[in-house]
Amino acid sequence: GESVGLHLPTLSVQEGDNSIINCAYSNSASDYFIWYKQESGKGPQFIIDIRSNMDKRQGQRVTVLLNKTVKHLSLQIAATQPGDSAVYFCAENIAGNTPLVFGKGTRLSVIA
Amino acid sequence: EPEVTQTPSHQVTQMGQEVILRCVPISNHLYFYWYRQILGQKVEFLVSFYNNEISEKSEIFDDQFSVERPDGSNFTLKIRSTKLEDSAMYFCASSEAYTGELFFGEGSRLTVL
Repeated sequence: GESVGLHLPTLSVQEGDNSIINCAYSNSASDYFIWYKQESGKGPQFIIDIRSNMDKRQGQRVTVLLNKTVKHLSLQIAATQPGDSAVYFCAENIAGNTPLVFGKGTRLSVIA
Repeated sequence: EPEVTQTPSHQVTQMGQEVILRCVPISNHLYFYWYRQILGQKVEFLVSFYNNEISEKSEIFDDQFSVERPDGSNFTLKIRSTKLEDSAMYFCASSEAYTGELFFGEGSRLTVL
């Protein structure tokens, strides 16, 4: 069965607001997680990753939170911009052992 | 910045025809992958490749599919006899470490008529 899924298929936010995109995973053995951004007609682009020995990791305007207790992953985008409009996928695997498995994706639309 | 390149960007073919999709992975990467994405759906793993052989493959990757690294730079996906349901975007990816951060190409859109 599917091991990675998403709570919401679409998300609309006002420009300048913060966005939170959620992801649930079912494989408790997964120890590596990545968020990818996919703009229309393009390939997935790496945003940020996190390993299971961490709860939080920050990048430039993005933060990934990992809650292993409930097998939940989230991506927070601060001060969302029109260029953030895309589909966001979480992906998981057992690092070095299994292929990266993608979730279904959340479409983020930024309203100017 | 090094990138994964794919050709063609779009191919239209008749059902039953053979198709070859080509990829040039990032030069110092050792692990190569093909994923596909049916329109509006998630990105699905097809196959991983290392040291001139398949490391893993999904149930989608049946006998109609094959991969090859014919030279030191290209990585190809061949579909022997295309079916309508093979219509999708096919993404090539490469990585330094096995299933670490994957770098994806822009994709090849395959349309089977």
